[in-house]
Amino acid sequence: DAGVTQSPTHLIKTRGQQVTLRCSPKSGHDTVSWYQQALGQGPQFIFQYYEEEERQRGNFPDRFSGHQFPNYSSELNVNALLLGDSALYLCASSPDGVSNYGYTFGSGTRLTVV
Amino acid sequence: SQKIEQNSEALNIQEGKTATLTCNYTNYSPAYLQWYRQDPGRGPVFLLLIRENEKEKRKERLKVTFDTTLKQSLFHITASQPADSATYLCALDPVYNQGGKLIFGQGTELSVKP
Repeated sequence: DAGVTQSPTHLIKTRGQQVTLRCSPKSGHDTVSWYQQALGQGPQFIFQYYEEEERQRGNFPDRFSGHQFPNYSSELNVNALLLGDSALYLCASSPDGVSNYGYTFGSGTRLTVV
Repeated sequence: SQKIEQNSEALNIQEGKTATLTCNYTNYSPAYLQWYRQDPGRGPVFLLLIRENEKEKRKERLKVTFDTTLKQSLFHITASQPADSATYLCALDPVYNQGGKLIFGQGTELSVKP
């Protein structure tokens, strides 16, 4: 059973460009969350999607947007990239509600903005 | 202000010893707390979840305690092995028992020497 799949694994973009990152959740999971992790820091919550709606949002600007599809897969879009957006972007999936099995994370997309 | 803090310094221990990692939080009242392991360049991997009404939880060589009075969780790895070397993250849900966003500590890097 595949876990969470993220693509691409690495990406280099120029400041001001736009980027789309993709995530396929673990089979049986309907909730997808996105996190940004800077080097040496813990992951920071961006937003969570459930039933194709953004359910919760962290302290990130509107340049960060997302989408969830009927098959529960999700995209993270970042517009007008800044150098400070360089980070590891993680997707996590879970069943809805509090799970005794926590969240299943993908290996992430390493985004470098130059 | 709300904070979740882990030992910022790396923890170096000898193989066979018990590693103890600390997670302290302020101005939160989490219903549960989670611990994850993260290897370089990979996403976090769920280890254990402990609820507020559970003082202690064990899984193989791992033990977690949760003291809601001290606002602290301790994570123990007994009979540590070099393969346990990784960064360990604690995380809590700031909205009581919702299963939504997680707030992560910055992580503690553990190094187990043979």
